[in-house]
Amino acid sequence: GIQVEQSPPDLILQEGANSTLRCNFSDSVNNLQWFHQNPWGQLINLFYIPSGTKQNGRLSATTVATERYSLLYISSSQTTDSGVYFCAVENSGGSNYKLTFGKGTLLTVNP
Amino acid sequence: EPEVTQTPSHQVTQMGQEVILRCVPISNHLYFYWYRQILGQKVEFLVSFYNNEISEKSEIFDDQFSVERPDGSNFTLKIRSTKLEDSAMYFCASTPRRGLFFGSGTQLSVL
Repeated sequence: GIQVEQSPPDLILQEGANSTLRCNFSDSVNNLQWFHQNPWGQLINLFYIPSGTKQNGRLSATTVATERYSLLYISSSQTTDSGVYFCAVENSGGSNYKLTFGKGTLLTVNP
Repeated sequence: EPEVTQTPSHQVTQMGQEVILRCVPISNHLYFYWYRQILGQKVEFLVSFYNNEISEKSEIFDDQFSVERPDGSNFTLKIRSTKLEDSAMYFCASTPRRGLFFGSGTQLSVL
């Protein structure tokens, strides 16, 4: 099956800093999403981004499907950004919108 | 904004007991899913459901598991005889065919 690798596995920032999270995947994809899992375990949908660039406030994401990677940018980080960020993809051969998740990046933002 | 709702948020059960986890997907969505996350690990696909039948299931989804859409709104996951290793956060998700939307999860603890 498709492999999803996220880096870095852990990241510690001071409030106000910027960061870039990376997601590499091993095959072509129909679907790519970024999620934020907050300390209560909820999976918050950040971006649906199989290709191109999107921005939502302090967050933006870029997927270069031909090179099989996606980047999530967090600017001016806040303590509430802490949590695990997951990249999840659906292989192009799939038809059931089944997502394969990476292991995530654990982000800690200190005040 | 519409959301996927799950009940209960926490469920504690004895090994060997049956549990039913409940979900109300977003009303105009047609594809439904269950995923699970064992503590500290990545989110794993269990099963997808479309047109009142299972469209795909993982190797985790063995004969102990079943899903049902008993009426027009609810979507349930039943574990017939729980095992210690079934302890996990179980997420329901639905999609309008453009990204998956997850519920807040049910934390299942099997003692």
